[in-house]
Amino acid sequence: SQQGEEDPQALSIQEGENATMNCSYKTSINNLQWYRQNSGRGLVHLILIRSNEREKHSGRLRVTLDTSKKSSSLLITASRAADTASYFCATRGMNSGGYQKVTFGTGTKLQVIP
Amino acid sequence: SAVISQKPSRDICQRGTSLTIQCQVDSQVTMMFWYRQQPGQSLTLIATANQGSEATYESGFVIDKFPISRPNLTFSTLTVSNMSPEDSSIYLCSVDARGSEQYFGPGTRLTVT
Repeated sequence: SQQGEEDPQALSIQEGENATMNCSYKTSINNLQWYRQNSGRGLVHLILIRSNEREKHSGRLRVTLDTSKKSSSLLITASRAADTASYFCATRGMNSGGYQKVTFGTGTKLQVIP
Repeated sequence: SAVISQKPSRDICQRGTSLTIQCQVDSQVTMMFWYRQQPGQSLTLIATANQGSEATYESGFVIDKFPISRPNLTFSTLTVSNMSPEDSSIYLCSVDARGSEQYFGPGTRLTVT
């Protein structure tokens, strides 16, 4: 089953507004990554946050991580129409076989209306 | 970050046939990963490919259906065998870079008719 659950599944906002997406996961992790995927294309790596970090910024992106609640959030400030895409969280942790594995969440479809 | 290319970028295949997807990385990497993304869904890990050893498959995926080769540290192939319409997906390869970040190729969009 998917490690991460994201909400909302879909989000529609006006250009200039902020967009917040949430990711919850089930087991211990080493790090959590956020990706963007434009329609039918490859994944673009946005940001990585380690398990010992609580917040990270990159341009208009702000990521938080709460390991006690097993959750993360991605905030996109001052959204633009070009931010329209699907966003996925991905957690890296040890699986039952003893090796590291990256597992993806269900994704949030963001639509930014010009 | 690593630059990853995949061939073909897309293909339309008939059921019962097989397709081999190639993944090339611009630097040497220990582990390469193959994912499947079914229409409208998230990514699911198929297998992890280490150079010089057998690929490790995730639950629900078997070597007979998805044989993988990893002949060197910059290249891997995934074959989708005896295809059915349910195999219509985007197939993506990825690698670890900078220690922890995972980067993806552009994907191969497969349609099985």
